[in-house]
Formats: sequence, C-alpha cells, structure tokens
Amino acid sequence: SYEVTQPPSVSVSPGQTARITCSGDALSKQYTYWYQLKPGQAPVMVIYKDSERPSGIPERFSGSSSGTTVALTISGVQAEDEADYYCQSVDSGGSYVVFGGGTKLTVL
Amino acid sequence: QVQLHQWGAGLLKPWETLSLTCAVYGGSFNEYSWNWIRQPPGKGLEWIGEVSHSGSTNYNPTLKSRVTISGDTSSNQISLKLTSVTAADTALYFCARRKRDHYGTSTWAFDIWGPGTMVNVSS
Repeated sequence: SYEVTQPPSVSVSPGQTARITCSGDALSKQYTYWYQLKPGQAPVMVIYKDSERPSGIPERFSGSSSGTTVALTISGVQAEDEADYYCQSVDSGGSYVVFGGGTKLTVL
Repeated sequence: QVQLHQWGAGLLKPWETLSLTCAVYGGSFNEYSWNWIRQPPGKGLEWIGEVSHSGSTNYNPTLKSRVTISGDTSSNQISLKLTSVTAADTALYFCARRKRDHYGTSTWAFDIWGPGTMVNVSS
C-alpha cells in the first residue's frame, strides 16, 4: 500500500525555524495537506494544497513542494506551536487517503 | 458555523461491532463528502473511509471488509460501523468534512473535524 514518510521528531528553540518534511512517490502528482494536532483537540489544517494557508492560520506557517517531497515550515516558532504535525495526501490514482506517521515538534 | 457532534459506545468487547454517529449542525450536509478517521493511542492518523453526498462510499483497503459508512440526509448524520473489533481498533475516532474549493469542487483536505470519540476494545 502507498505510504508517505515523515521524521518522527523535530526540535527547535523559540524564534527559530522548524522544517518538517513529507516524502512519497505520489506527492509530485497529488496535493499535500498539513494538520496540527494537540492533545485533546481536533486536528487543525494549517496548510492546504501544498502551500496555501487557510484563513486564521498565522503567516509563520508555510508549505512548499519539490518533486516527491513536501515541507511544512514554521518561521519564528512559538511555544504554542508545540504539537504533532501530520501530512496527508492521496494515492496516485486519487482513490484513498494516506497520512504520514506524524512529526512531534518540540519547542525547547 | 458548521459543527460536528459525535457519539457512540466507548467500550466494546472483542468481536463486537463498533457503531458511531456524527451529526452535522449549522451547514450544508448534501454538498459534501463525510469521512471517518481514527488515531490509536500513541500512533498516527488513519483514514477509515467516506460517504459522499450521493451516498457512494470509499474505504481504506485495509479496513474495507469490516467497514460500513452511511449517510442520512434527512437527519444530517453519518454513521460508522466496524465489525469484529479487536484491541487494534482501540482509537480516538473523528468524523471530518472534505473541503470544497472556491470552484465548488471537492478536495481531499479535511476542513471541519468532530471532537473525537474514544473507543476502547477490551475483554
């Protein structure tokens, strides 16, 4: 089955830039979406269609895509950004949804 | 403001059937596809499947043999049934809406999520 791969963890100090990658063969053909999960809360989409920022999401969140790798970048990380982040896409045929394994962002 | 409310049995024994319901309040039901997604404790998100506004369904191949998702346009509710559960089905279950873009086309993004329902499977 199709899989997308994320690093399990990323750590940064406040004010620094965090970059979380997501890799998968179909990511060059299908859009990727990014979600922020905090304990006890529903997921929140922070990046839409590789690089668009939904309404209400701070400008420090950005997305990029290059070939089969996409990235979520958080510039000027704040303590409140500490969370799990998941990339999500679909298989190349657009038949089923796949999530990355998640990346735990720790703000030191 | 669209809100999703979820409910269902939170404790099951092995081999029982999981049954959850998600109600849509404050927005259109008929124009969207509605999904179920779960997160086992300490693990990542897993897509279970969806039901479209037309009633067509699409399931994760790994769960397809045990899953039924249906929608009721008269009550603006969707339901999830998962048969023959095991401990591996213990998870926080979310319902979620697939986002439509500004052309009205359904995307694969999930823009509205329910609060989640924890389901434990234990003998």
